[in-house]
Amino acid sequence: SQQGEEDPQALSIQEGENATMNCSYKTSINNLQWYRQNSGRGLVHLILIRSNEREKHSGRLRVTLDTSKKSSSLLITASRAADTASYFCATDATDSSYKLIFGSGTRLLVRP
Amino acid sequence: ETGVTQTPRHLVMGMTNKKSLKCEQHLGHNAMYWYKQSAKKPLELMFVYSLEERVENNSVPSRFSPECPNSSHLFLHLHTLQPEDSALYLCASSQDLAGPYNEQFFGPGTRLTVL
Repeated sequence: SQQGEEDPQALSIQEGENATMNCSYKTSINNLQWYRQNSGRGLVHLILIRSNEREKHSGRLRVTLDTSKKSSSLLITASRAADTASYFCATDATDSSYKLIFGSGTRLLVRP
Repeated sequence: ETGVTQTPRHLVMGMTNKKSLKCEQHLGHNAMYWYKQSAKKPLELMFVYSLEERVENNSVPSRFSPECPNSSHLFLHLHTLQPEDSALYLCASSQDLAGPYNEQFFGPGTRLTVL
C-alpha cells in the first residue's frame, strides 16, 4: 500500500542547528504535504509541494521533492525549542487526491 | 485552533456507553474528515464527507457512526466500543475534495479512553 515513511524516527538537536527529515513513498502522487503535531494535539499544515515542483521555501522551512526517487525532505533551519514536535509527511493518490496517507512521523527534540 | 474545533477534548467511557464526538469548522469548507491516531501507528483515515454526503468509509467498524448534518458540523457517534478503540480522534476540513491543493485543517482532537 502507498505509505509515507519518515526517517529518522527520532531526532535530537541543539537549538540553532538545522534539522533534516526525510520521507519516502511508494506510488505516484499529485502533491506531498508536511504537517507538524505538538504532543497530543491536532496537526498543523506546514507546506505543500506539487509533483512538478522540486523545491519550496516557507520561512525557515525548505522542502525538496524528488519524484524519480519517490522521496522528499524537510529542512528546518536555525531550529528553536518551539520547533519540538512530531513531523509527518502526507501523500495523496493520483486517483483520489483527498485521501491523504500519513507516515509514522519524525519526533524532533530541540534542546535549548 | 479557532478554525476547526472539537468537543470534548477528553472522553473516558465504558464499553457499554454511547457517546458522541463533535467537530465544527468555521472556515467555510465543503469537505470534512475523521481520522484515528493510535499510539505508534500512522494516522488512519476513517470517514470523508463532501457537501454533507459520505464519500469514504475506510472499512471502519459499525460501532463508529458518522453524521454530517451540514457542511460545518461533523459528528462521530460511538457505541459498544472496545479498549483498542482508545486513541486520539482528529477531525479535519478542506475547501473541497478535488483540486490541486488539498490542504487539510485539523482540530485539536478528542483523546478517547475506553475502559
